Order: sequence, then structure tokens, then C-alpha cells
Amino acid sequence: GQQVMQIPQYQHVQEGEDFTTYCNSSTTLSNIQWYKQRPGGHPVFLIQLVKSGEVKKQKRLTFQFGEAKKNSSLHITATQTTDVGTYFCAGNSGNTGKLIFGQGTTLQVKP
Amino acid sequence: NAGVTQTPKFQVLKTGQSMTLQCAQDMNHEYMSWYRQDPGMGLRLIHYSVGAGITDQGEVPNGYNVSRSTTEDFPLRLLSAAPSQTSVYFCASSYQGMQPQHFGDGTRLSIL
Repeated sequence: GQQVMQIPQYQHVQEGEDFTTYCNSSTTLSNIQWYKQRPGGHPVFLIQLVKSGEVKKQKRLTFQFGEAKKNSSLHITATQTTDVGTYFCAGNSGNTGKLIFGQGTTLQVKP
Repeated sequence: NAGVTQTPKFQVLKTGQSMTLQCAQDMNHEYMSWYRQDPGMGLRLIHYSVGAGITDQGEVPNGYNVSRSTTEDFPLRLLSAAPSQTSVYFCASSYQGMQPQHFGDGTRLSIL
């Protein structure tokens, strides 16, 4: 079945450093979504990528979708303490609507 | 709008007991799903529904049942609770399956 792998599992950075998390799917994806979950909270939608090679930016966050639509990345420039949380990628394969999540990357930012 | 409402927020069960976790959404979303979240495992899809009367299995369906008699409600039933089902359960909904998911606040379930 479809699998979505995400690395690293944990990342500790100093405030101001950059951060990247990577997502890889075993199958070609129709789209990929990214979510952020604060400690004790629920996942909150950040962005969706649909097109091969697509790049989208939200302030300090840059999201990329691979040319083969099997991988994606999230890059945060100059992290802040407000970036703390777990970042999940989630992929749709085909038209089933079945959304499979990666294991998530937990980001800790030291002030 | 309340969004996605899950009840209860916390529950402790004994092994072998049955229970229903409730999920309701008021956004007229067609797609609803249940996930469980365990440390280091991310969010794993239990069951999902693309509309009233239609349900399908996700990655980890064993030990759980669902039904979708209305667009608004998508309850998750634990038939005979086991300690391995101790987890945080999230319900989510979206307009369609390919659209962004709106999550509820979760139900924290402990099985002794």
C-alpha cells in the first residue's frame, strides 16, 4: 500500500537557523499537503501542492513538490520560537481521497 | 461555525469494554476520516468516508467500526477495547477527499 516517509523525526535548532524536513512517497501523488501541530493541539493545514515541480512560499516557509510528484520538502528560513511544533506531510494517491500522513518532524527551537 | 466537534475529550476504559467516539461537522463536508496518533508513528488513517452511506478502510482498521448515516456525523466504534488502542484519536473533514482537512481537537483514550 501507499507509504509516506518523513525525515528527520526530530530537529533541534538555535533560533535564527534554518530548518528543512523531507517527505518521500512510495507512489506517485496526486497532491501533497503540509500540516503543523503545536504541542497538545491538533494538526492545522498549511498548504497544498498539486503540480509537478511546484514551489510555494508563505513568509519564511518554502514548500516544494518534486518533479516526479513522489517527494516534497518544507524549508523554514531563520527559525523563531513560534515555529516549534510537529510538521506533517500528507499525500493523496489516485482519486480515492485516502490521505496518508508521514510520521512527522518535531522541531524544537532554542532561544 | 463549530467546525469539527469530537466527544468525549478524554476517556478511560477497561480492556474488553466497547465505546463510541463521536465526531460531528457543520461545514457540509462530504469527506470525513478518523486517525490515531501515537508517539513516533504520526497520524495513521483508521477509516474514512467520501459521503453518507460510504465508508472504507484506512491503514489500521482492525478493531474499529464506522458508519456514515448522515453527512454531519461519523462515529468510530471500538468493539472490544485493548491496551494497544490507547492513543489520541482525531477526526477530520474536508469538502472533498483531495481538499485540506479540518481536524477536531481529539479524544485522548486510555485503555487499562
